[in-house]
Amino acid sequence: GEDVEQSLFLSVREGDSSVINCTYTDSSSTYLYWYKQEPGAGLQLLTYIFSNMDMKQDQRLTVLLNKKDKHLSLRIADTQTGDSAIYFCAESKEPGNMLTFGGGTRLMVKP
Amino acid sequence: DSGVTQTPKHLITATGQRVTLRCSPRSGDLSVYWYQQSLDQGLQFLIHYYNGEERAKGNILERFSAQQFPDLHSELNLSSLELGDSALYFCASSPLRAGELFFGEGSRLTVL
Repeated sequence: GEDVEQSLFLSVREGDSSVINCTYTDSSSTYLYWYKQEPGAGLQLLTYIFSNMDMKQDQRLTVLLNKKDKHLSLRIADTQTGDSAIYFCAESKEPGNMLTFGGGTRLMVKP
Repeated sequence: DSGVTQTPKHLITATGQRVTLRCSPRSGDLSVYWYQQSLDQGLQFLIHYYNGEERAKGNILERFSAQQFPDLHSELNLSSLELGDSALYFCASSPLRAGELFFGEGSRLTVL
């Protein structure tokens, strides 16, 4: 089965909060990442969290990590139409290791 | 702009042919990673080079090969192309801090 799983699609209204969820299977995952991919573009790193942290906040983004359940979430506050993109969760065991990506969640923001 | 440059951006070729995709990493980054993104397989790790040496191999077919040159640019060679090789091929480089990868815009390969 997949090492990192995400739901395929999320639709929200502009101004609402978006919560994108991710589960992973490998308990030795040390670093967990959120990347954003806009149409026709490469992946852009949004934020990352170490496995010894529970939460990380960066402006409108909040990452929550439940290590026991191997569950990671990305909350986007005050979602804007410009946030419409595909969001990928990824994990790695240590710096310099390759990242294993989830299948991506397509976020659609309706005006 | 991530600082990672990939060429060509688009490539259309026929089955059985061979193509080379090129990647220039960010200045100072010694690590280069290649990923394949297709609709049915998602983002698949292909191979990782560090300072000219192969470090890890993922789901890379035997028909595919890669190398990293002394100036740190990398090339991904795809041969005996099949329809199923049509995909977006991404290169990423890393400064090895927390493993964050900086991605290029990708090379879109279409095999007809």
